Amino acid sequence: KNEVEQSPQNLTAQEGEFITINCSYSVGISALHWLQQHPGGGIVSLFMLSSGKKKHGRLIATINIQEKHSSLHITASHPRDSAVYICGGANFGNEKLTFGTGTRLTIIP
Amino acid sequence: EAQVTQNPRYLITVTGKKLTVTCSQNMNHEYMSWYRQDPGLGLRQIYYSMNVEVTDKGDVPEGYKVSRKEKRNFPLILESPSPNQTSLYFCASSWDRVDTGELFFGEGSRLTVL
Repeated sequence: KNEVEQSPQNLTAQEGEFITINCSYSVGISALHWLQQHPGGGIVSLFMLSSGKKKHGRLIATINIQEKHSSLHITASHPRDSAVYICGGANFGNEKLTFGTGTRLTIIP
Repeated sequence: EAQVTQNPRYLITVTGKKLTVTCSQNMNHEYMSWYRQDPGLGLRQIYYSMNVEVTDKGDVPEGYKVSRKEKRNFPLILESPSPNQTSLYFCASSWDRVDTGELFFGEGSRLTVL
C-alpha cells in the first residue's frame, strides 16, 4: 500500500462542474504539495499547505493534518483544467517527499 | 526569468554507458531534488540536497549518484545505466525546506536505456 493515496484515479466531468480530488496519507507529514501536470509533461506547483485552506483563483486546497487527509477543489471547471493532479507529503522530520500516483482529470466542453 | 533547467531533455543510450543529467536553478534555492516518473508508480524521489555538500537518499536511490558542489547545480549521474532506469526524470528546487515553500520543477528529461 502506497503511503500516499489519491482518489479517484481518473475523473471525467462536464465543463462547469465542481471537482474534488482527495489525498490521504499514512505517514506523519509536516506539509502537503499539490501539483499539476499537463499532457506534454511539465509539472507546476499549485499549493503547499500545512494547515487549513488555501485558494488561488478557481482552485481551493484544504488539509486536516490530524486526519491525514487533503482535498483539491476546482470550481467552474474548464477544459483547460484537464491534467494530472498529484499530491505529495513532506515527511515529518526530514526533507523526503512522497507522492501519490496522480488523478487524471478530463473536462469535456 | 526564474527557472530550473535540465539537460538533456531527451536521451537514448545503451546499457553501461555512463551518463549525467544536469540540473541548474537560478533562484538561489537551498533545496534541490531528483525524481523519476513511471506509469502507475507516479513520482518517486531519488535524491535530495538541503545545501552545498549535503545530499540524502530518497526512496529509489539505487543505481544513481548525485553531487552538490555549487548551490545552483545538482547533477544526476548514472554510472552504469540499465534498462530499468528508462524513465522520465524531473529535477526540482525550493527556496528552503520542503514544508515551507513551493517546488519549482524542470521540464523533464526522458531517458531510454537500450
